Amino acid sequence: QKEVEQNSGPLSVPEGAIASLNCTYSDRGSQSFFWYRQYSGKSPELIMFIYSNGDKEDGRFTAQLNKASQYVSLLIRDSQPSDSATYLCAVNVDGNNRLAFGKGNQVVVIP
Amino acid sequence: DAGVTQSPTHLIKTRGQHVTLRCSPISGHKSVSWYQQVLGQGPQFIFQYYEKEERGRGNFPDRFSARQFPNYSSELNVNALLLGDSALYLCASSLESHQPQHFGDGTRLSIL
Repeated sequence: QKEVEQNSGPLSVPEGAIASLNCTYSDRGSQSFFWYRQYSGKSPELIMFIYSNGDKEDGRFTAQLNKASQYVSLLIRDSQPSDSATYLCAVNVDGNNRLAFGKGNQVVVIP
Repeated sequence: DAGVTQSPTHLIKTRGQHVTLRCSPISGHKSVSWYQQVLGQGPQFIFQYYEKEERGRGNFPDRFSARQFPNYSSELNVNALLLGDSALYLCASSLESHQPQHFGDGTRLSIL
């Protein structure tokens, strides 16, 4: 089992719609969870982090955490063409000594 | 404030050579981590340093080494380069090891 799994293929959403991304993780001891956005040819940019069960909202982004089910999700409301990027889920593992990443999900927002 | 800075931005080497990549963390950040990212994959953890001590090491061969200096900057060294070492090498810093990590622009290493 991979430490962090993002299994959805490329996601195409119309402009103004909601994009929903999911991620599961295997380390039950993980305490910190992150979403990064990565544009083609660029480095990852932190967009959300969440430590507690429930929802955390920041502008058009909402992160959701369910530790019992070991999944993290990211919602992007009112999607814009500038949201077109790869979104990486990351989880602190091994007692916070390293960050494990999923392979990423590509999001394409269609004008 | 300046973000994480990495140098050089691009590097071309041949097999068997060695390379040193450099990273300066965000001011006040004590933790520096190194990652390798190949096309189509998420970053893979190589090392984490906190207060100049190695806190974590990923599944990479001993050809990979790193260190952190008193000013919290860091170097990643790779010896005996292989074609498979071609990748984007990312440095990230955070205040503490469990807190959000912020990435530099990376060093793109190409091995010929």
